Amino acid sequence: GDSVTQTEGLVTLTEGLPVMLNCTYQTIYSNPFLFWYVQHLNESPRLLLKSFTDNKRTEHQGFHATLHKSSSSFHLQKSSAQLSDSALYYCALGGNYNQGKLIFGQGTKLSIKP
Amino acid sequence: EAAVTQSPRNKVTVTGGNVTLSCRQTNSHNYMYWYRQDTGHGLRLIHYSYGAGNLQIGDVPDGYKATRTTQEDFFLLLELASPSQTSLYFCASSPGQGANSDYTFGSGTRLLVI
Repeated sequence: GDSVTQTEGLVTLTEGLPVMLNCTYQTIYSNPFLFWYVQHLNESPRLLLKSFTDNKRTEHQGFHATLHKSSSSFHLQKSSAQLSDSALYYCALGGNYNQGKLIFGQGTKLSIKP
Repeated sequence: EAAVTQSPRNKVTVTGGNVTLSCRQTNSHNYMYWYRQDTGHGLRLIHYSYGAGNLQIGDVPDGYKATRTTQEDFFLLLELASPSQTSLYFCASSPGQGANSDYTFGSGTRLLVI
């Protein structure tokens, strides 16, 4: 079945350094939809950005990601980390075939230090 | 603004107890979901629904029942609660599938089974 892999459970960075959170997925369907959700402490997850177009960069709130179907990847990046970026980040996979449900990765906790 | 409201915010029950978690959405969304969130496991789908009276089984359904009474209301039932069901539960809604799989999450219900 479909799956999402986020290899890092915890990423710790110093403020100002670039951020890259890894996400790869597996699906037999040719048109996947990929999402990044962010969850700050004591809050609920909220949509950060999404994409379903191959090789097209998607940006929102300083973050960006590009869906690469050739490598089944959708890594989240930011050029310069801020303290407020500290949060739990989930990558999720959806499609037109699964009744709206998203498959979430295990999440990556991003901790930004001064 | 579209919203998903969960109640209660916190619940403590004893092993073997009966618990109902409630979720109401004012988004006019067709799809509703129940997830549990546990450290190391991310978000795991319990049950979901794509309309009033419809119910679909998720990935971790054992020990849980659900009912979608109206377009707005989705309930999660634990009839014989066990300590393994101690978790943070999120309800979410979405307008559709594929590109419309944007989830709106509720604030969560923290359940402790002692």
